[in-house]
Amino acid sequence: GNSVTQMEGPVTLSEEAFLTINCTYTATGYPSLFWYVQYPGEGLQLLLKATKADDKGSNKGFEATYRKETTSFHLEKGSVQVSDSAVYFCALTTNTGGFKTIFGAGTRLFVKA
Amino acid sequence: SQTIHQWPATLVQPVGSPLSLECTVEGTSNPNLYWYRQAAGRGLQLLFYSVGIGQISSEVPQNLSASRPQDRQFILSSKKLLLSDSGFYLCAWITPGTDLYNEQFFGPGTRLTVL
Repeated sequence: GNSVTQMEGPVTLSEEAFLTINCTYTATGYPSLFWYVQYPGEGLQLLLKATKADDKGSNKGFEATYRKETTSFHLEKGSVQVSDSAVYFCALTTNTGGFKTIFGAGTRLFVKA
Repeated sequence: SQTIHQWPATLVQPVGSPLSLECTVEGTSNPNLYWYRQAAGRGLQLLFYSVGIGQISSEVPQNLSASRPQDRQFILSSKKLLLSDSGFYLCAWITPGTDLYNEQFFGPGTRLTVL
């Protein structure tokens, strides 16, 4: 079946540090890949997405590249800020089984000033 | 523009009591609607989704049910709450036909504590 695996958190970084959150997936068909972010007490919102192999999604300094050969979609940011503290979810949607979106378990990021 | 509302924002209920959570969407027609549960420290579990009025698909057997009485209204219910029903409940929507390429839009969530 389809699944998403994220690195376990929490991840604690100092401000301006480099961030990588690993995400790998298993899917039938050709999924679209997403990163969502959840700030404390809120719902999820889209951070970035990629809909085909080798696409790079980017937003707010975050980037992730759709790697079909390694079935990965790792999230990166060159210099994190305190305001980036949140939970980050990797997700995929495939056109099998009715376009359901499968979410990873989420990775909590703490950024210290 | 489209907006999605959920209420209540927080709820504390005793075990065995009923539940009704409401989700409404504005600014779009015939959306696909979803209910997710997020348990503490865990990811999102899809509970129900709906592609139209009265059409509900259940993803996991559980103590909950869902209904869609109107095009842009999605209700999550229970007749008798269990302790394990505690969690953060999120409603989401997407424009049908764009599911593969576009993101879901999430409401602000309802935090349910069952005591």
